[in-house]
Amino acid sequence: GQQVMQIPQYQHVQEGEDFTTYCNSSTTLSNIQWYKQRPGGHPVFLIQLVKSGEVKKQKRLTFQFGEAKKNSSLHITATQTTDVGTYFCAGRMRGSTLGRLYFGRGTQLTVWP
Amino acid sequence: DTEVTQTPKHLVMGMTNKKSLKCEQHMGHRAMYWYKQKAKKPPELMFVYSYEKLSINESVPSRFSPECPNSSLLNLHLHALQPEDSALYLCASSTRSLSSQETQYFGPGTRLLVL
Repeated sequence: GQQVMQIPQYQHVQEGEDFTTYCNSSTTLSNIQWYKQRPGGHPVFLIQLVKSGEVKKQKRLTFQFGEAKKNSSLHITATQTTDVGTYFCAGRMRGSTLGRLYFGRGTQLTVWP
Repeated sequence: DTEVTQTPKHLVMGMTNKKSLKCEQHMGHRAMYWYKQKAKKPPELMFVYSYEKLSINESVPSRFSPECPNSSLLNLHLHALQPEDSALYLCASSTRSLSSQETQYFGPGTRLLVL
């Protein structure tokens, strides 16, 4: 069954508005990775979070990893039309040695100009 | 360089055809993956190779046959597929390090249509 839950499934925003997607796991993660997939494209690695409470920024994108390493979020400030796509989180379960990633179902972001 | 290449980009095949998908990486990664992705869904893991040995098979039907000829190449042989197998097939690779900081890099995928 689904081990990493991601919400919302869809988000429509006006250009300039902020956007946040959330991921939650029922079990502790060793790390979590975020990917962006443009329409017609493939998942592109954005960032990896490893430490409890970690916060990383990439320009307008802010990624957080919860203190318990069970949840994570991606926040985009002042969205642009280039931010359109589906954002996936993918967690690696603590104790997993085979490199398996558990993907959230993704959040599809639409940005209206 | 974090490039994973896949060929072909698009493939149309009949249910009686035999075809192969190819994946290549030159990052020295020792783990390679096949995923299947349907529209508006996350990638679904099919196979994992670690040091050229099959380590995970997610109960994939035998009409899909993976092969890892060497540490840089990964193939997926297709035979007698069904229309519901139409999807984007993604290859990925990672370092297979023992640390928890292992990142998977995806190739551009092969869009497969089975008629």
